[in-house]
Amino acid sequence: EAGVTQFPSHSVIEKGQTVTLRCDPISGHDNLYWYRRVMGKEIKFLLHFVKESKQDESGMPNNRFLAERTGGTYSTLKVQPAELEDSGVYFCASSQGVLGGADEQFFGPGTRLTVL
Amino acid sequence: AQKVTQAQTEISVVEKEDVTLDCVYETRDTTYYLFWYKQPPSGELVFLIRRNSFDEQNEISGRYSWNFQKSTSSFNFTITASQVVDSAVYFCALNDYNTDKLIFGTGTRLQVFP
Repeated sequence: EAGVTQFPSHSVIEKGQTVTLRCDPISGHDNLYWYRRVMGKEIKFLLHFVKESKQDESGMPNNRFLAERTGGTYSTLKVQPAELEDSGVYFCASSQGVLGGADEQFFGPGTRLTVL
Repeated sequence: AQKVTQAQTEISVVEKEDVTLDCVYETRDTTYYLFWYKQPPSGELVFLIRRNSFDEQNEISGRYSWNFQKSTSSFNFTITASQVVDSAVYFCALNDYNTDKLIFGTGTRLQVFP
């Protein structure tokens, strides 16, 4: 069974440009999460989808970030326009949604975003 | 507010040494879950263990063991007879049963030298 995949693995862009990150969760997982780790700090929650609906987007930094999950399958996270402080590693995770907060979340390898 | 603290930023040991990674958490909830994840050089986070707030039994899995103490709000992780392959960043996390999101500590980088 394929794990969570993320594309691209690395992205280097200039301030003011737009970047779109993609996450493909494990097939059949209703829950999809986005997290971000800024260098040396903790991994922080951004938002949570249940199927195609946003369940919790309390961690989204500002309106330059837009996440979508059309059809309840893969998800995209767009940053427009990118700022220097957006640099970090963006992780996607998915879970079945059977046990609620007890569910194991399966993580992808992350996308390393560098904004110059 | 919920918080996870991993005070050890980096630990270096020589192979076969035992090492303990500390994790202290804060929450007002009575029902919660604690996790440990391993991040090897390849980058993905690998699930190691989940523990719910009502189960304080320690757990052992091979060379890994976990000590959960509600009295001190700690969930420490011990690797016995460490190996080079244990080198990674280890994250402790707290999950609110109602919101599903994980609250992570800053991670502890473990380097095991041959």
